[in-house]
Amino acid sequence: LAKTTQPISMDSYEGQEVNITCSHNNIATNDYITWYQQFPSQGPRFIIQGYKTKVTNEVASLFIPADRKSSTLSLPRVSLSDTAVYYCLVGDPVGELIFGQGTELSVKP
Amino acid sequence: NAGVTQTPKFRVLKTGQSMTLLCAQDMNHEYMYWYRQDPGMGLRLIHYSVGEGTTAKGEVPDGYNVSRLKKQNFLLGLESAAPSQTSVYFCASSYDRGYGYTFGSGTRLTVV
Repeated sequence: LAKTTQPISMDSYEGQEVNITCSHNNIATNDYITWYQQFPSQGPRFIIQGYKTKVTNEVASLFIPADRKSSTLSLPRVSLSDTAVYYCLVGDPVGELIFGQGTELSVKP
Repeated sequence: NAGVTQTPKFRVLKTGQSMTLLCAQDMNHEYMYWYRQDPGMGLRLIHYSVGEGTTAKGEVPDGYNVSRLKKQNFLLGLESAAPSQTSVYFCASSYDRGYGYTFGSGTRLTVV
């Protein structure tokens, strides 16, 4: 399973765009990149998943460069309610996802 | 929209006691998982199941047993609880491995 490295914490202000980068140098050919969001006292919630290039949904965008050794989750115009822990996971669709420590995002007014 | 339901939500056990945590999903998902989460740490996979009647070990399986007798239910058992098993336990399910997990709201277990 590919190991991921992401910042432990990040601070931002309301209305700003937040980019959280995840490194996964040992990503395998079959691995997908998935991001989850977790609020205190809740289970993680699926945000977005991608394999290469760019994926966008109503919540976020995921940018994956050609070498796929990193990925960036982009949250447009964050609000206080986006304060949460964000997990980057890399895994084979036929394997099990392993969660790392995640990035604790704090959005300030 | 029930999704994934975990029971109980809270429990306090004495060392050596046993208990079973129940996870139920109504999405007809094949895959189900049990994770534990400790303060300041990410989630660690305990056991998982790829279908009814199947189970497999994850990262931290010691001290736990699981069963998947019905597709919609995944049970996590602690035979002899230890203080090191104090944690928040999350169940998840997915229609395919590695994709779009749906998590329950967790069970907070304290072993004293």
